[in-house]
Amino acid sequence: DTAVSQTPKYLVTQMGNDKSIKCEQNLGHDTMYWYKQDSKKFLKIMFSYNNKELIINETVPNRFSPKSPDKAHLNLHINSLELGDSAVYFCASSPQGGALGETQYFGPGTRLLVL
Amino acid sequence: GENVEQHPSTLSVQEGDSAVIKCTYSDSASNYFPWYKQELGKRPQLIIDIRSNVGEKKDQRIAVTLNKTAKHFSLHITETQPEDSAVYFCAASNRGGGADGLTFGKGTHLIIQP
Repeated sequence: DTAVSQTPKYLVTQMGNDKSIKCEQNLGHDTMYWYKQDSKKFLKIMFSYNNKELIINETVPNRFSPKSPDKAHLNLHINSLELGDSAVYFCASSPQGGALGETQYFGPGTRLLVL
Repeated sequence: GENVEQHPSTLSVQEGDSAVIKCTYSDSASNYFPWYKQELGKRPQLIIDIRSNVGEKKDQRIAVTLNKTAKHFSLHITETQPEDSAVYFCAASNRGGGADGLTFGKGTHLIIQP
């Protein structure tokens, strides 16, 4: 069950630090996503990305930036971490194409705690 | 943008009974409606999905119905079992012209009482 993998699984860091979370998918999918799940379990899209376009949720601070070295990877870099960034971050991927929706497959999540 | 409302937030049913979770969405252009199950500390797992060209879909004990006119969709679980206990999320998506994330409801904590 490692089609979408993330590292690290847990990340504890100090406020103000810069950190990265890595995501890899071996499904051959063209589109990848980052979601944030807060303490109330609410899941919210942060970014979606394929080799053609990056779509950014307008509510995401510009301290967050996705970086994709190739279509199998979409890493999340966070600058100047704040207490409110503490959450579980999920990577997901889906195939490209299809006019009526595509199944998204989630990674195991990275639990970020900012102290 | 899309807004998805989900009810109830908590649902407790006796083992063997049925459970129904309801969602409404705001964007009439949405055309894909998945349901995810998330167990404690785990990733969301797709359990069933429905696309706007059908009104109902069933997979063993799980079924989903979609009413496009009313913009609501529901998850039905029959003959509930203890392992059905989890948080369930509905979601909606509009593929549009580009990669589009899912807009999730706030989740329903389903508790199966033995």
